[in-house]
Amino acid sequence: QVQLAESGGGVVQPGGSLRLSCTASGFTFRRYGMHWVRQAPGKGLEWVAFIRDDGSKKHYGDSVKGRFTISRDNSKNTVSLQMNSLRPEDTAVYYCAKEIGLDVWGQGTLVTVSS
Amino acid sequence: QSVLTQPPSASGTPGQKVTISCSGSNTNIGNSYVYWYQQFPGSAPRLLISGNNQRPSGVPDRFSSSKSGTSASLAISGLRSEDEADYYCAAWDVTLSVSWVFGGGTKLTVL
Repeated sequence: QVQLAESGGGVVQPGGSLRLSCTASGFTFRRYGMHWVRQAPGKGLEWVAFIRDDGSKKHYGDSVKGRFTISRDNSKNTVSLQMNSLRPEDTAVYYCAKEIGLDVWGQGTLVTVSS
Repeated sequence: QSVLTQPPSASGTPGQKVTISCSGSNTNIGNSYVYWYQQFPGSAPRLLISGNNQRPSGVPDRFSSSKSGTSASLAISGLRSEDEADYYCAAWDVTLSVSWVFGGGTKLTVL
């Protein structure tokens, strides 16, 4: 069964850092690109970042460029999101999702940026 | 402001056919597959329609999509109460950089 499980969410102060992880199972992880998508409370979906299957290319949304870094470890079937210089507007549920077309999503992990 | 434009709300009665539109540009819908997602409150989104109008296993054939130029639409026929949810369109967007873009979402109410 194809599954994704996010972890690492929590409460952090503005300007702080947090690292999210997503562990994949049930498919050949190294063959697929991976996305992070977030959803602020009561708002729509916002794409955050994408990494190619081999990690050779990374793309970011404008609102997180220069602050967030996506990475992956194909030996551990994990994709991570390092979030620095966090702002209150980064408060959201963060989902990882699998290519092609974000066909599988995790359950999400909540990140709250607040003093 | 979302790159892809959807109506914020739509509604219909059971058995009706409802259509949700998604408007973009040549850098996204005009040159990319369009994907549709369904999301219930408190749950993660799920892929409803992938590129080329493919439905993942478990998605009923009451759901279909179409595309013309820089616009796309999701059609739900034989509307049922359990279809009440939020619906999002999405596509790759290639300008100076590559990004994945979502529509703002449409809240579907079954009256």
